[in-house]
Amino acid sequence: KAGVTQTPRYLIKTRGQQVTLSCSPISGHRSVSWYQQTPGQGLQFLFEYFSETQRNKGNFPGRFSGRQFSNSRSEMNVSTLELGDSALYLCASSPSQDPKTQYFGPGTRLLVL
Amino acid sequence: GENVEQHPSTLSVQEGDSAVIKCTYSDSASNYFPWYKQELGKRPQLIIDIRSNVGEKKDQRIAVTLNKTAKHFSLHITETQPEDSAVYFCAAKVVIDFNKFYFGSGTKLNVKP
Repeated sequence: KAGVTQTPRYLIKTRGQQVTLSCSPISGHRSVSWYQQTPGQGLQFLFEYFSETQRNKGNFPGRFSGRQFSNSRSEMNVSTLELGDSALYLCASSPSQDPKTQYFGPGTRLLVL
Repeated sequence: GENVEQHPSTLSVQEGDSAVIKCTYSDSASNYFPWYKQELGKRPQLIIDIRSNVGEKKDQRIAVTLNKTAKHFSLHITETQPEDSAVYFCAAKVVIDFNKFYFGSGTKLNVKP
């Protein structure tokens, strides 16, 4: 099976712009989680989607949002970008039969200038 | 919510020595603890995990121990090799809390040949 894929891999934006990142989970996986990774902060949980519904949400401002489509692909959107949003954004998918196991994508590296 | 602390932030060992990375968690309801390895420029990969009904789990040169009373768990790598050099993350979650993982801030392990 193909692994988790994310597009784009790299992105440069300026403050105030918005950005949309995409994640395609492993075929058959219905859960998709998003994380923000910054140096020294580890991975911080953004939100998790399952069957097009947000099941969990981390402690991020409302500028961060997401959605999931019927084919389990997920997008996350960040509006009104700030310099501090520069990070690696990782998504991970999990199979229904083993929901605790996460398979990560390669990430999208976002640089906000 | 859960708070996971990880120490040390960097660890340098000589090839063949052992390495120990420690994590503490705050929420006694957490009962699943995975460890991830992230090589430079690559995605995090699950290397070992432990559930709260088990005190120790071993997989070849890697072992994880859990002390529920003290709320801490540790990763032990024996006979380290240069290819063990990476950033290691611990995480905690409540199994029934869907896929909301709380990660430590990471430990950069450098194994010197």
